[in-house]
Amino acid sequence: QMQLQLWGAGLLKPSETLSLTCAVSGGSFGGYYWSWVRQAPGKGLEYIGDIKYSGSANYNPSLKSRVTISIDTSNQQFSLKLTSVTAADTAVYFCPRQVPSPTGLPYLDYWGQGALVTVSS
Amino acid sequence: QSVLTQPPSVSGAPGQRVTISCTGSNSNIAAGYDVHWYQQLPGTAPKLLIYGNFNRPSGVPGRFSGSRSGATASLAITGLQAEDEADYYCQSYDRSPNGHYVFGTGTKVSVL
Repeated sequence: QMQLQLWGAGLLKPSETLSLTCAVSGGSFGGYYWSWVRQAPGKGLEYIGDIKYSGSANYNPSLKSRVTISIDTSNQQFSLKLTSVTAADTAVYFCPRQVPSPTGLPYLDYWGQGALVTVSS
Repeated sequence: QSVLTQPPSVSGAPGQRVTISCTGSNSNIAAGYDVHWYQQLPGTAPKLLIYGNFNRPSGVPGRFSGSRSGATASLAITGLQAEDEADYYCQSYDRSPNGHYVFGTGTKVSVL
């Protein structure tokens, strides 16, 4: 069974850089896109971006100037960096797998537990 | 805010049928992009419920069904059960101004 283990600093001060890593085990790492999604407390889901096994990344335009997603294929993990965080970046961050769909648009199947990151002075 | 609009909440008695709409525009759903649906139980990660507008992954009960027409997609729950009380999100792709994946605003389903 695929597992997505997410780790990183859970408490940040404003202007610091959020850094999270998601390790994939129990399944194939290659051939997929790997995504980042966040959910502010009591709010909806927000797509942050994704990265292909080859290293090609896509970002939500609203976050693009602050986000970098990278991948480490040798260790089957991928990472998220978000610079200049503010309280608005407080959220649970998820690292779901993006699956090519036979009908067209890829979808997110395995999500993992998610991790809360709080930004507070 | 999201470009895909869902009603904040819907409710129904056990056994009833409820539907959740996901309304987009010419740059997403009406442009022909697929819609997926996710269920999020309290305190848990989202779970894929419907992919490619109509398709149920293995293990998802048949009481969940998806449809679409024009700029709107819909999720129906037929024979509502207590364990269906959760938040539901649609997801699609928006091609303007720079293409990216988008989620709906989310709908809380309450079982009366």
